[in-house]
This record gives sequence, C-alpha cells and structure tokens, in this order.
Amino acid sequence: AQSVTQLGSHVSVSEGALVLLRCNYSSSVPPYLFWYVQYPNQGLQLLLKYTTGATLVKGINGFEAEFKKSETSFHLTKPSAHMSDAAEYFCAVRHTGANSKLTFGKGITLSVRP
Amino acid sequence: DVKVTQSSRYLVKRTGEKVFLECVQDMDHENMFWYRQDPGLGLRLIYFSYDVKMKEKGDIPEGYSVSREKKERFSLILESASTNQTSMYLCASSPAGGTNYGYTFGSGTRLTVV
Repeated sequence: AQSVTQLGSHVSVSEGALVLLRCNYSSSVPPYLFWYVQYPNQGLQLLLKYTTGATLVKGINGFEAEFKKSETSFHLTKPSAHMSDAAEYFCAVRHTGANSKLTFGKGITLSVRP
Repeated sequence: DVKVTQSSRYLVKRTGEKVFLECVQDMDHENMFWYRQDPGLGLRLIYFSYDVKMKEKGDIPEGYSVSREKKERFSLILESASTNQTSMYLCASSPAGGTNYGYTFGSGTRLTVV
C-alpha cells in the first residue's frame, strides 16, 4: 500500500523567504507524484507533477519539486514567497497500475508574513 | 477550459433531510470521485466510479450513497443528514487508465447540517 507523509500541519514564512514543504511517500514501486494547492473555500488545483524523465519538475506560480527516489521524497520549493502563496498544499501519489487512485497527504497550511 | 462543476458552493440542511450533491464534468472522463475534507483529517474518499452505473466504496462510505446514470454526472446522496456530515465536499474526475494524470477538482460544496 502506498502512503504520503507531510510533516507538520502549518508552515509560516516571511514574504521573500524560501518556501520548503516536505513530502515523503512509501510505495513498493516508483509512483507518480503530485502537488496540489487549495486556496480558501476553493477546490484543489494542480501545481505540478512528476511522472517520468527529469526529476526536477517546474510548476505554476514559480514552484518546483524534486523527485528523490533514494530518499522517497518529493519536496516542494519556491525561492521567494509571495503573500498570494498563502494556501493549503497537498502532496499525492499514484501507482502506475490501471485505475489506481490518488493517495493524499493530510495537507500543510502555508502562511506568509509581510 | 476543462471543468468540474459542483452545483452548490454553500448548502444548509436540517438533520434528517435527504441531501443531493451534484457534480458534472465536461471532459468525457470515465473516473469520478467524491471526497470530504475536514480540518486535520485531509481528504477522505467516500465513493468513486469508473464508469456509468458503476460505483465502489471508498474509505468512509457510511451514511452516503452515489448515483451515476450518465457519464458526466456523479451525485452524492446523504440519505438522512446528520450534524457529523457537516463538511466540505469535493468532487473530482480523471481519465481512465491515465495514471500520469492527476485529478481535476470542482470548487467544493460546504455543507452545514443543523
């Protein structure tokens, strides 16, 4: 079975500071990996995904994530936080089998201080 | 722009009422999902469907049922609403077999049962 761990429930950074949101997964085979963002009272929006190929993946709004198989990690980063980045972020994994489902982490709330 | 549309953003219902949450997607996706989202618990899968008239239980199906009579529409039914079903409900869809795709989410329905 696959699972996703997002340590902590809340991260606070200053505007302009580095954003680092951690995600570790457990899976018997290399999965597909996703980060979603949820702004207040909205649904989830895909930020970026890793399927195959380059392990450093760039997404929307200046975010990127790196797949590290040896560490079973897919941490999300952004060099300089903006106030508009305040939201909840979810990491998710999916097996490569047909009709496999996404497994989500519990999410982490990012606050950005002026 | 592809879309998953949930019919209501906010809904207030009384205990014991039968409640219908509607979800429509315009992407010709085979797979559709219903989640509920609660603080500290992340997203929990209620039911999903891989095809018309097919349904499978997720992790927390108790107190819920679903209907999928047409490919584009997936309805979540609360047979007799209770206060512990107050939550944010999210619908999502994805193409069949496309495990390198993530899910496309609707904007959510915030249901309050009083």
